[in-house]
Amino acid sequence: KNQVEQSPQSLIILEGKNCTLQCNYTVSPFSNLRWYKQDTGRGPVSLTIMTFSENTKSNGRYTATLDADTKQSSLHITASQLSDSASYICVVPRTYKYIFGTGTRLKVLA
Amino acid sequence: EAGVTQFPSHSVIEKGQTVTLRCDPISGHDNLYWYRRVMGKEIKFLLHFVKESKQDESGMPNNRFLAERTGGTYSTLKVQPAELEDSGVYFCASSLRDRGDNEQFFGPGTRLTVL
Repeated sequence: KNQVEQSPQSLIILEGKNCTLQCNYTVSPFSNLRWYKQDTGRGPVSLTIMTFSENTKSNGRYTATLDADTKQSSLHITASQLSDSASYICVVPRTYKYIFGTGTRLKVLA
Repeated sequence: EAGVTQFPSHSVIEKGQTVTLRCDPISGHDNLYWYRRVMGKEIKFLLHFVKESKQDESGMPNNRFLAERTGGTYSTLKVQPAELEDSGVYFCASSLRDRGDNEQFFGPGTRLTVL
């Protein structure tokens, strides 16, 4: 079954701290994996896309990793800011259909 | 460049009523998608248009849902009659091409509450 699972479900950290979000997938065939950020009341916005051959990719304070052998990805946020409070969703496209994870709800406290 | 827009942002209706959601994709995007998130669950695919043609409506829950995209521009999603389990957030997305490596851009969603 084509699924995307994320952990933790929710996370609370203090401003300035780092955190890592996890994503496991069973989607096949695999072409790429995307991390989206969804602010409350907004649609998901793409943070990064990882293709099969990529292990690590950074976008500012966001660093995504991909292990295609174990079918795992992580999103590391460095020096968190209050504006990082949002849901982070792992997405694996299967042709044009996006298969979504349930997301990790991150809350950054001052 | 304007992003994907959706209207209304919120809708509260009673069971048995009809609701129509609208999506305006990014100009020039032939591909349009509808997704839905129900409470506590992940966002799930409903259907896919290429221009005015439905390519895949395998995710549509039942025949109470009708999607149209007249002229290949904006799209509407009608729920008639609405049931309690239809409550959720309905997202629209658009993309230039219908490949998995082509980014889909999402609208802000319409939050539907059926009482």
